[in-house]
Amino acid sequence: QKEVEQNSGPLSVPEGAIASLNCTYSDRVSQSFFWYRQYSGKSPELIMSIYSNGDKEDGRFTAQLNKASQYVSLLIRDSQPSDSATYLCAVIRGSQGNLIFGKGTKLSVKP
Amino acid sequence: EAQVTQNPRYLITVTGKKLTVTCSQNMNHEYMSWYRQDPGLGLRQIYYSMNVEVTDKGDVPEGYKVSRKEKRNFPLILESPSPNQTSLYFCASSPQGGGLGYTFGSGTRLTVV
Repeated sequence: QKEVEQNSGPLSVPEGAIASLNCTYSDRVSQSFFWYRQYSGKSPELIMSIYSNGDKEDGRFTAQLNKASQYVSLLIRDSQPSDSATYLCAVIRGSQGNLIFGKGTKLSVKP
Repeated sequence: EAQVTQNPRYLITVTGKKLTVTCSQNMNHEYMSWYRQDPGLGLRQIYYSMNVEVTDKGDVPEGYKVSRKEKRNFPLILESPSPNQTSLYFCASSPQGGGLGYTFGSGTRLTVV
């Protein structure tokens, strides 16, 4: 099993809809989880971090973590065309702070 | 402005010609890391450093070297580049153990012919 898995997409949603992005991870001892957004040809940008089970909301973004199921998700409410990007799930591996990424899910928001 | 600066942004070189990609951060971060990004493979870690003079291999270290002589700088060295090292490279830094997330540089697109 890969350390961090995401559906590659593309995921296409209409403008104003909720986009739901999912991620699973294999290391049960992982404690820190992140969502990055990457526009084509640009560097990854941190948009959410989550450390404990449950939901964390920041504006239109909600991160959800379920450690028992080893599952992290990102919800984007009221999706906008400017949200069209690749979303990367990342997990800290072990005690040395290595940040390991999934391959990303490409999101397309259609006007 | 807090940032991670990589140079050059674009580089075309020939097989076997040694090159260095520089990375510098002005945030006094302890952790620094190099990644390469390839289509279909995602971001893969090459090397990381937990502090000055402390470096370790990531998942794809073959063909690369790094050094961390100063806290702010973490250069990536390709002693004898080969075409399979053609990629988009990112440097990143974090204030501690990665637990607060990493800040990325703008990237270096390297082509080896």
